[in-house]
Amino acid sequence: AQSVAQPEDQVNVAEGNPLTVKCTYSVSGNPYLFWYVQYPNRGLQFLLKYITGDNLVKGSYGFEAEFNKSQTSFHLKKPSALVSDSALYFCAVRLTPGYSSASKIIFGSGTRLSIRP
Amino acid sequence: DAGVTQSPTHLIKTRGQQVTLRCSPKSGHDTVSWYQQALGQGPQFIFQYYEEEERQRGNFPDRFSGHQFPNYSSELNVNALLLGDSALYLCASSSSQTGSNQPQHFGDGTRLSIL
Repeated sequence: AQSVAQPEDQVNVAEGNPLTVKCTYSVSGNPYLFWYVQYPNRGLQFLLKYITGDNLVKGSYGFEAEFNKSQTSFHLKKPSALVSDSALYFCAVRLTPGYSSASKIIFGSGTRLSIRP
Repeated sequence: DAGVTQSPTHLIKTRGQQVTLRCSPKSGHDTVSWYQQALGQGPQFIFQYYEEEERQRGNFPDRFSGHQFPNYSSELNVNALLLGDSALYLCASSSSQTGSNQPQHFGDGTRLSIL
């Protein structure tokens, strides 16, 4: 079965320290991978994506993610965390790439990131 | 440029009732997907509409139905509400012209509470 796993329910980091939020996936073919962030009582905001090419992708708010095909991982990273980064983060994979109107997204269960001052 | 808008923002219903949620996609988008996000969980795909037809469906019962209008807006209908239907319902839009490598754009959702 195709799935996305976020093994950590919560990640706690001190402000200024680097952060990593983990994501692994199990899909057939070449996946399209995404990270979204959700603030309280809001919808999901797109952070970054991996489609093809360079394994290190850069996104919004200083976040980046590294695609590792052999480990089927797509971990989210930031060199220096801010208190304002505290939110719920979701990894997602898009199935059946190619025809957007027939493709759906599978989300991980989410990781709550807490940055302490 | 308005993004994805959903209405209402909050809704309280009782078991057995029916509910309709509404979504207007981002300008230029023609595809609408609906997701259910239970408390503490990731969004679960319900179904997707394109050209006024349901194109894909997740593992949700027939009590969940939808519609897409010629202006690309969409409705999600849930019949015979159960306590377990309490969740945040998210609408996401995308364009069939830009390919599936583009992210979906999400609205802020409708919080549905079943008493």
